[in-house]
Amino acid sequence: EAQVTQNPRYLITVTGKKLTVTCSQNMNHEYMSWYRQDPGLGLRQIYYSMNVEVTDKGDVPEGYKVSRKEKRNFPLILESPSPNQTSLYFCASSLSWGPGELFFGEGSRLTVL
Amino acid sequence: EDKVVQSPLSLVVHEGDTVTLNCSYEVTNFRSLLWYKQEKKAPTFLFMLTSSGIEKKSGRLSSILDKKELSSILNITATQTGDSAIYLCAPLSGGSYIPTFGRGTSLIVHP
Repeated sequence: EAQVTQNPRYLITVTGKKLTVTCSQNMNHEYMSWYRQDPGLGLRQIYYSMNVEVTDKGDVPEGYKVSRKEKRNFPLILESPSPNQTSLYFCASSLSWGPGELFFGEGSRLTVL
Repeated sequence: EDKVVQSPLSLVVHEGDTVTLNCSYEVTNFRSLLWYKQEKKAPTFLFMLTSSGIEKKSGRLSSILDKKELSSILNITATQTGDSAIYLCAPLSGGSYIPTFGRGTSLIVHP
């Protein structure tokens, strides 16, 4: 089944403790991206990647890192999480840059205390 | 700065009603506009619009783009409770890899 898989789905952590949210897609998509969704602010893009080893900042990249060492994986790294990074995070992919139809993961709800 | 305004923000209707959701945008060098439906989890793709005046249709849902007015509408006829969701529009500008999502319209359909 074609899908975008994120882990963990839910996480409660404390300020400053590094964490990684993994994202994997099985559709051989070139384009992958991370969004955060906050009440009243909609979906905002954090980082995106057009292909392996090619990443770029979105609208709200501060406090986040990403890497794209393999086509299928695009982890989101929070080196030192802070409470303002409490949010619902979505990973998405599409066949090519543009993008066309974005396929979203199920979301990861992160709470930073 | 790119802007996307969706209206109304929230809508409550009864089953069988027809609704029209609006999306106005200001993006540089417009390329396409995407519509998504978000229930309790991830957004799911509905339509991609690139040409003005050509209606896209899927069952009871349809959408059309008006490049002159910089807007798009999403129509849902004979609404059902399963249509309850947040509907998001996202215009994409040429040369950008970042679709700008609107804040969405929350639709609640009562039986």
